[in-house]
Amino acid sequence: QKEVEQNSGPLSVPEGAIASLNCTYSDRGSQSFFWYRQYSGKSPELIMFIYSNGDKEDGRFTAQLNKASQYVSLLIRDSQPSDSATYLCAVDTGGFKTIFGAGTRLFVKA
Amino acid sequence: DGGITQSPKYLFRKEGQNVTLSCEQNLNHDAMYWYRQDPGQGLRLIYYSQIVNDFQKGDIAEGYSVSREKKESFPLTVTSAQKNPTAFYLCASSPRGHNYEQYFGPGTRLTVT
Repeated sequence: QKEVEQNSGPLSVPEGAIASLNCTYSDRGSQSFFWYRQYSGKSPELIMFIYSNGDKEDGRFTAQLNKASQYVSLLIRDSQPSDSATYLCAVDTGGFKTIFGAGTRLFVKA
Repeated sequence: DGGITQSPKYLFRKEGQNVTLSCEQNLNHDAMYWYRQDPGQGLRLIYYSQIVNDFQKGDIAEGYSVSREKKESFPLTVTSAQKNPTAFYLCASSPRGHNYEQYFGPGTRLTVT
């Protein structure tokens, strides 16, 4: 069964620090990778997507993909209390279905 | 404004009743999805549709039904056959479905007692 694994957390970082969120996936044929942010009681919001090995930067967010290690990560620089949320990693396996991880809870301390 | 709407936000039903959750999008997206989210768990796919008048079962389709008569609309019916229907239901759409990001509606929280 295809799986996406995330540490449930909570991951606690001080304001201004770098938060590092990690995700591993089981299907080597996976082609597209997504990070969503979900505030408590709300729906997921797309933050970034990445298709190729390496880094992709968007503002304070950097997504990193290593297909050989089946590993994708999200770095949040200059973390703010408003970044406190659950971050969902999602992987498109190429079969018109996206598999979501259970999410990592991030807490940014002011 | 373009987006995805779901209604109602909160829904309460008695056990044994069927209930239909609405999902509408004006993003001109081809693909639409229904997910279920339980506390502390990831999203689980119920049904998805790539084009009008066509849809496929996801991982947990038992006890649910859908229709896709219009590109903009993808309603989900939770039937009395669904054993544990209380959950947060999320509708999403994407431009094509394959390798494309999904955008979510605000969700419907269903409580069945």
